[in-house]
Amino acid sequence: DAGVIQSPRHEVTEMGQEVTLRCKPISGHDYLFWYRQTMMRGLELLIYFNNNVPIDDSGMPEDRFSAKMPNASFSTLKIQPSEPRDSAVYFCASSLVGGGTDTQYFGPGTRLTVL
Amino acid sequence: GENVEQHPSTLSVQEGDSAVIKCTYSDSASNYFPWYKQELGKGPQLIIDIRSNVGEKKDQRIAVTLNKTAKHFSLHITETQPEDSAVYFCAAGYGQNFVFGPGTRLSVLP
Repeated sequence: DAGVIQSPRHEVTEMGQEVTLRCKPISGHDYLFWYRQTMMRGLELLIYFNNNVPIDDSGMPEDRFSAKMPNASFSTLKIQPSEPRDSAVYFCASSLVGGGTDTQYFGPGTRLTVL
Repeated sequence: GENVEQHPSTLSVQEGDSAVIKCTYSDSASNYFPWYKQELGKGPQLIIDIRSNVGEKKDQRIAVTLNKTAKHFSLHITETQPEDSAVYFCAAGYGQNFVFGPGTRLSVLP
């Protein structure tokens, strides 16, 4: 298996622009997670899906952030409008069973820089 | 909710020495304790995990111990090698909850 795939790997944009991050989970995994990593706050869970349905989005920082999972093999995280404080590495992860007792497989991340 | 603390935040050891990273958690309901390794420019990858019905688990040079009474668990790396240099994260989970610790940057000096 190719593992979790994320695109783009790097994104540089200007404040106010819309940013869309993409993720393809491991085939057969029913859970998908979006995380944000910064030096100050470490790894933060933003949102997770089960069978394409958002289960917990309490970690989404603001209404500027939105996530969708239109099918089992694709998810997007959108930031509109973007701000410099959104600069971070965004990870997508997937797991077979999900919840707090299963291995999460992480993608390589998208490094976002908002100027 | 669950809170996971991790110490130390940075650790430097000489090649061949052992390294120990400790984590504590707050929620006694947690029953799954994985450790992830993150190399520069990559996502975290699972290296070992332990469940609450086990006190210790080993995989070659890596071992994890769990003390449920004290609510702490530790990662032990023996005979460290330069390729062990990375950031290590512990985590604690149960049900639909899963919380990462803040991470430990391990440097193995040649």
